[in-house]
Amino acid sequence: GENVEQHPSTLSVQEGDSAVIKCTYSDSASNYFPWYKQELGKRPQLIIDIRSNVGEKKDQRIAVTLNKTAKHFSLHITETQPEDSAVYFCAAGPSNTGKLIFGQGTTLQVKP
Amino acid sequence: DSGVTQTPKHLITATGQRVTLRCSPRSGDLSVYWYQQSLDQGLQFLIQYYNGEERAKGNILERFSAQQFPDLHSELNLSSLELGDSALYFCASSVTGGETETQYFGPGTRLLVL
Repeated sequence: GENVEQHPSTLSVQEGDSAVIKCTYSDSASNYFPWYKQELGKRPQLIIDIRSNVGEKKDQRIAVTLNKTAKHFSLHITETQPEDSAVYFCAAGPSNTGKLIFGQGTTLQVKP
Repeated sequence: DSGVTQTPKHLITATGQRVTLRCSPRSGDLSVYWYQQSLDQGLQFLIQYYNGEERAKGNILERFSAQQFPDLHSELNLSSLELGDSALYFCASSVTGGETETQYFGPGTRLLVL
């Protein structure tokens, strides 16, 4: 069935360092790969997304790369700040539907 | 603020009871999605509606049902509640429900079943 694996489950970095979160997906027909940031008790908020016709996308300190052949995609956060601390979820959108299959989440802690 | 609203914010009820969660999508969005977030299961897709019609279904229990009304708001009905139904329930919306559209999440309803 449709599945998204996300690693690591927790990640601790020093302020200013980079953080990388990786996801793999099972449905080769997936075309849409968003990343959401969720602070404790709050809604998931979209931080960046990528569609299958693009291999890389960048928005200031955040970048996402997609390898459709290997069925994996990654989130890169550079120059991390304490306010980046949150749970990050990757997701994949199987073709022909709007539903999202989410990874299990990565708790990122940025130490000042 | 995403523009998606959900009520109530919190709900405490007992096992065996029935509750209704409500969602209003962003202005102009025709598609609504429901997700369940529990501690051990992460974010799980339940069901999607587009302009009043069911479009996609996930692992939604038979005890759960949903609908989208002509004014595009949606309700998720949970019946014969069990302890394991305690979770955060999120509604999201997008313009047409297409496979590459951004979904905007509401603030969620926290359900506690005692």
